Amino acid sequence: GQSLEQPSEVTAVEGAIVQINCTYQTSGFYGLSWYQQHDGGAPTFLSYNALDGLEETGRFSSFLSRSDSYGYLLLQELQMKDSASYFCAVYNDYKLSFGAGTTVTVRA
Amino acid sequence: DAGVIQSPRHEVTEMGQEVTLRCKPISGHNSLFWYRQTMMRGLELLIYFNNNVPIDDSGMPEDRFSAKMPNASFSTLKIQPSEPRDSAVYFCASSSPREGDTQYFGPGTRLTVL
Repeated sequence: GQSLEQPSEVTAVEGAIVQINCTYQTSGFYGLSWYQQHDGGAPTFLSYNALDGLEETGRFSSFLSRSDSYGYLLLQELQMKDSASYFCAVYNDYKLSFGAGTTVTVRA
Repeated sequence: DAGVIQSPRHEVTEMGQEVTLRCKPISGHNSLFWYRQTMMRGLELLIYFNNNVPIDDSGMPEDRFSAKMPNASFSTLKIQPSEPRDSAVYFCASSSPREGDTQYFGPGTRLTVL
């Protein structure tokens, strides 16, 4: 089976930087995905890391270390609209297994 | 593209009734997934179809749940009979190898069983 651990909550002010860590245990690992979900909305794809290293997409970056079974999502220049839940998900073959999610609250 | 379409968006029913949730995947996507999301259990995969064929239904909670995909543009998830513990948000997602197998989620159906 799979297990993923990520913090349950993070609070930060506008303009700050937030890092959400994710550690995982799984077999047949293909890669690590990150999804954003606003309250009442659907999960929305943010990023996917199959190889070690940092992937940058605008204000968001994602990192993976396969040897450490560890990844993180970095949110920079936080905006109020970034208040949401963020899920890491391990991808093996066709299947995505999601962590419990991290609720990010951005304060003015 | 319209994205993944789900209906209804909200469903309130009484215990024992049959519930049918519907999903139209993104055109050209050959993989379809049904998920359930609750506070207690998070986001769980119920069943996965590839090219309209069920590949993995190990997440289907019990025989009360069934899913079909009669063609590439339509899938249903049926609960019969429904129970209060089935109350959750049910998401459908689709993906394609041409898009890196990224899963795109529909808006979900919020089901309440009284």
